[in-house]
Amino acid sequence: AQSVTQLDSQVPVFEEAPVELRCNYSSSVSVYLFWYVQYPNQGLQLLLKYLSGSTLVKGINGFEAEFNKSQTSFHLRKPSVHISDTAEYFCAVSGGNYGQNFVFGPGTRLSVLP
Amino acid sequence: DGGITQSPKYLFRKEGQNVTLSCEQNLNHDAMYWYRQDPGQGLRLIYYSQIVNDFQKGDIAEGYSVSREKKESFPLTVTSAQKNPTAFYLCASRTGSGRGQPQHFGDGTRLSIL
Repeated sequence: AQSVTQLDSQVPVFEEAPVELRCNYSSSVSVYLFWYVQYPNQGLQLLLKYLSGSTLVKGINGFEAEFNKSQTSFHLRKPSVHISDTAEYFCAVSGGNYGQNFVFGPGTRLSVLP
Repeated sequence: DGGITQSPKYLFRKEGQNVTLSCEQNLNHDAMYWYRQDPGQGLRLIYYSQIVNDFQKGDIAEGYSVSREKKESFPLTVTSAQKNPTAFYLCASRTGSGRGQPQHFGDGTRLSIL
């Protein structure tokens, strides 16, 4: 089965610092890419998605992600994080070798420290 | 507002008991999904349904059953055959109008064993 890799299980960062959460996938054909955020005891909320076109995608809450086809990556970035960004972040892939369903990465827990 | 409603928010199961988790959506979405979430493991697909009266097994269907009698509803039954049911269960839906559409999530049900 195809997998989605999120290399960092936990990322601690100080408030107002920049952050990058990494996501890699494995597909030789085009895929659709998504980032979701999950706050404690809640469902997942869509941050942004890449379907086609510009490789830089802007999402909600000041997040953005860059699609890199050659590196099969879709890293999430924010230039300045807030305490309220503390949450679990999931990368998801569909299409291509992944089929029509979604495959989720294991998640990255972002902890923003004061 | 349109959305996905999962109930109850917390559920306790006794030994040998079947329990049913409710998922209702008013987004007019064709496809619905059930995921299981365990700490550090991301989301794993239990069952999914693309249309009414049809559903398919996901990656971890053993010990679970579903039905899809109405477009709006996709209940999940955790049977006594599921020996380790303690987890956070998430329901999601997606429009079937094309690939690249994101999944929308409910707020989850946390199931524990008494």
